[in-house]
Amino acid sequence: AQSVTQLGSHVSVSEGALVLLRCNYSSSVPPYLFWYVQYPNQGLQLLLKYTSAATLVKGINGFEAEFKKSETSFHLTKPSAHMSDAAEYFCAVSDLGNSGYALNFGKGTSLLVTP
Amino acid sequence: NAGVTQTPKFRVLKTGQSMTLLCAQDMNHEYMYWYRQDPGMGLRLIHYSVGEGTTAKGEVPDGYNVSRLKKQNFLLGLESAAPSQTSVYFCASSWAGTPDNEQFFGPGTRLTVL
Repeated sequence: AQSVTQLGSHVSVSEGALVLLRCNYSSSVPPYLFWYVQYPNQGLQLLLKYTSAATLVKGINGFEAEFKKSETSFHLTKPSAHMSDAAEYFCAVSDLGNSGYALNFGKGTSLLVTP
Repeated sequence: NAGVTQTPKFRVLKTGQSMTLLCAQDMNHEYMYWYRQDPGMGLRLIHYSVGEGTTAKGEVPDGYNVSRLKKQNFLLGLESAAPSQTSVYFCASSWAGTPDNEQFFGPGTRLTVL
């Protein structure tokens, strides 16, 4: 089964600082990986996805993630944090079993951006 | 184009009561999903549907039932609510059965069972 682990349930950065949110995956086959963002009291919105076309994936709002097979990682980064980036971030992997390609989510990382 | 909508947004139930959560999508998507979100747990799949008239169990199906009588609607039912079902429920949809497909999420229903 495919699964992901997010390291750090809470991350705090200063405005303008680098954002790094960590995600490691477990999969016996090439994974399909996603990062979603959830703003307070809202649903989830896709930031970016990895589908094996390129190892560096660019998403919305200046975020990007790099797929590293040797490290089984798919960390999310942004060069300069904005106050508006404060949200919950979820890494997810497509379940390739009998679940209609549902997503298996990590437990989430709450990003706090301080002035 | 409303995307994925969920009704109601909030609900408080007493133990043993029943209710139905409605999910509707206007994107003509084939696949629909119900997840629940609990603090520190991420989202977990309850049930899913790969087309009109078909449903299947996910990771945490106990205590829930679903129906997909129309392609655009996916209903989640609680026959006898329990406090353990206090959660935020999200519906999602995607247009095809491929692993790289984006899932579109509704705004969620916050359910409290007393």
